[in-house]
Amino acid sequence: EAGVAQSPRYKIIEKRQSVAFWCNPISGHATLYWYQQILGQGPKLLIQFQNNGVVDDSQLPKDRFSAERLKGVDSTLKIQPAKLEDSAVYLCASSFRVQSSYEQYFGPGTRLTVT
Amino acid sequence: SQQGEEDPQALSIQEGENATMNCSYKTSINNLQWYRQNSGRGLVHLILIRSNEREKHSGRLRVTLDTSKKSSSLLITASRAADTASYFCATPRGRYGGSQGNLIFGKGTKLSVKP
Repeated sequence: EAGVAQSPRYKIIEKRQSVAFWCNPISGHATLYWYQQILGQGPKLLIQFQNNGVVDDSQLPKDRFSAERLKGVDSTLKIQPAKLEDSAVYLCASSFRVQSSYEQYFGPGTRLTVT
Repeated sequence: SQQGEEDPQALSIQEGENATMNCSYKTSINNLQWYRQNSGRGLVHLILIRSNEREKHSGRLRVTLDTSKKSSSLLITASRAADTASYFCATPRGRYGGSQGNLIFGKGTKLSVKP
């Protein structure tokens, strides 16, 4: 079975610019997550979708970050405008069911560098 | 909010030796998961242990859970160079189970296995 796909793999932008990341989860997985992983730390949840609805976006900096999953499959995460502290790896993950006892499958991530 | 904290932060061993990593968390959980992250890649689920289990095995992996001490350990036996990676424990957000499926990851233990 195909894994979680993410693009681009790497992105370098200047502060105040905009950037968008794309994620395609494993087929049939209803739950999709976006995480931010700063160097040396564990992933931090930004937003969680169940189909095309938001389950939890309490840790998403909504003044600059936005995400959507319009048809309940692919998802995009956008940062506008970017700040230096947004430099991190952005991971997308999906799981079959919403409960925490279901394992999450992660994509390879997008490494963002903001200069 | 509960959070897993791994110990030690870094561990360096020789091939063939055993590696033990520990995780402590703060509040009651109904399951705990361990993930592995190879350098520059996404996370891979290793094992899930439920609160009513004390020990679980998967190949060369052994996980224990002590809910009275709010701690878990991951033992990798007969380590190989390919085991070099960061290892994270993850606990459900939200009290008693995280029905929304969110996970909180610790900062991880960086394991280096030298040939």
